[in-house]
Amino acid sequence: GESVGLHLPTLSVQEGDNSIINCAYSNSASDYFIWYKQESGKGPQFIIDIRSNMDKRQGQRVTVLLNKTVKHLSLQIAATQPGDSAVYFCAENYSGAGSYQLTFGKGTKLSVIP
Amino acid sequence: DGGITQSPKYLFRKEGQNVTLSCEQNLNHDAMYWYRQDPGQGLRLIYYSQIVNDFQKGDIAEGYSVSREKKESFPLTVTSAQKNPTAFYLCASRTGSSGANVLTFGAGSRLTVL
Repeated sequence: GESVGLHLPTLSVQEGDNSIINCAYSNSASDYFIWYKQESGKGPQFIIDIRSNMDKRQGQRVTVLLNKTVKHLSLQIAATQPGDSAVYFCAENYSGAGSYQLTFGKGTKLSVIP
Repeated sequence: DGGITQSPKYLFRKEGQNVTLSCEQNLNHDAMYWYRQDPGQGLRLIYYSQIVNDFQKGDIAEGYSVSREKKESFPLTVTSAQKNPTAFYLCASRTGSSGANVLTFGAGSRLTVL
C-alpha cells in the first residue's frame, strides 16, 4: 500500500469563507512558531509568526492562535480567495543552547472552490 | 531586489553522477540552510551554516556535501552515495541576529535521477 506520508491533509473551502488550518507541534520548549505558504513549484513564503509568550497574533486577513497547553497552533484565513490555494506549513523553533533549528510539519493543502 | 537565487531550477542526473546545486543570496544573511522536500512531506534539514567556513549536518546529511567559502554562497553537492536523490531542494537563509528567526527561501531546484 501507499505510505500515508504521500497524501497531504486537504482542506477545501468555498471562496469567501473563512479557513482554519491546524497544526500540532512536538516540543513544549519551542519558543517561536511560523506559518509558511508554498505554492506549487515554488519555495515557501513567510505568512505570520508568533512567539511562545503570546496566544494570538493578527496580520492582514490572517490570524494565528497558539495553545501551549495542548501544543496546538492554528492559522485562520478570513475571506479565503483563490490565490490562497497552496500548501501551508507550520514550523516550530527551539533556540536552546544557542542553536537555531526550525522543525516543519508535513503541511496542509488548501483548495479554494470558486 | 534582495533574495535567494537557486540554480538550476530543473536538473536531471544519471545514477552514479554527482551534481551540485547552487544557492546565492544577496541579503547579507549570516546563516544558510539546505532542505529536502518529498511529495506529501515536510521539509527535512540536510545541512546548515551559521558563518563562513563553518557548517553542520542536519537530520539527513548522508550522501550530501556542502561548502561555505563565501557569505553569499552555499552550494550543495548530491553525491552518488545518496540512495534516493530525486526530490525538490530548497535553500534558505536568515540573519544571524538574535530573535530573527524567519527563514527566507529560494524558489527551489528539482532534481530527477534517471
